[in-house]
Amino acid sequence: DAGVTQSPTHLIKTRGQQVTLRCSPKSGHDTVSWYQQALGQGPQFIFQYYEEEERQRGNFPDRFSGHQFPNYSSELNVNALWLGDSALYLCASSLAGPSNEKLFFGSGTQLSVL
Amino acid sequence: QKEVEQDPGPLSVPEGAIVSLNCTYSNSAFQYFMWYRQYSRKGPELLMYTYSSGNKEDGRFTAQVDKSSKYISLFIRDSQPSDSATYLCAMVPNFGNEKLTFGTGTRLTIIP
Repeated sequence: DAGVTQSPTHLIKTRGQQVTLRCSPKSGHDTVSWYQQALGQGPQFIFQYYEEEERQRGNFPDRFSGHQFPNYSSELNVNALWLGDSALYLCASSLAGPSNEKLFFGSGTQLSVL
Repeated sequence: QKEVEQDPGPLSVPEGAIVSLNCTYSNSAFQYFMWYRQYSRKGPELLMYTYSSGNKEDGRFTAQVDKSSKYISLFIRDSQPSDSATYLCAMVPNFGNEKLTFGTGTRLTIIP
């Protein structure tokens, strides 16, 4: 049973470019959350998708957008990249319902903005 | 001031020692507390999950919450080299909320 898979594992972009990161949730999960983890920091919540809609959003600008597909996979898009967007982007999946114990993280996509 | 404060370390202890990791928080709305372990180049893995004040034990790990002091701890007994990782505390205000607020993480090394 595959866990949460993210692609690509590493990515290098230049300032002003746009990037798309992809996530496939753990089998049986229907909810996807995205987090940004800067070097030496804890993950910060970006947003969460359930039933193809954004359900919660953290304190991130509109340059950060997402999408969830009918098969529950998800994309994170970042426009007009800044140097400060360099970070590990983590996807976490869960099954809708009241239990934080079911949150599983992928290994992340390391984004470097030059 | 950050909502959740955690000493980033690094912390190095000899194998077999008891390790104490701590977080403080400022938002009294937090009710559910978690500890995650993150190995290098991997995503966080849930270790412990506790509700409100009290202790919870799972094998060599004990999580402790003191809401009156807004202070949580993770104790690791008989530490092993495989415990070397970054430990992150996380918390949410209500059950089922997956908008976790994390600490910065403490980098732990167990010396054989």
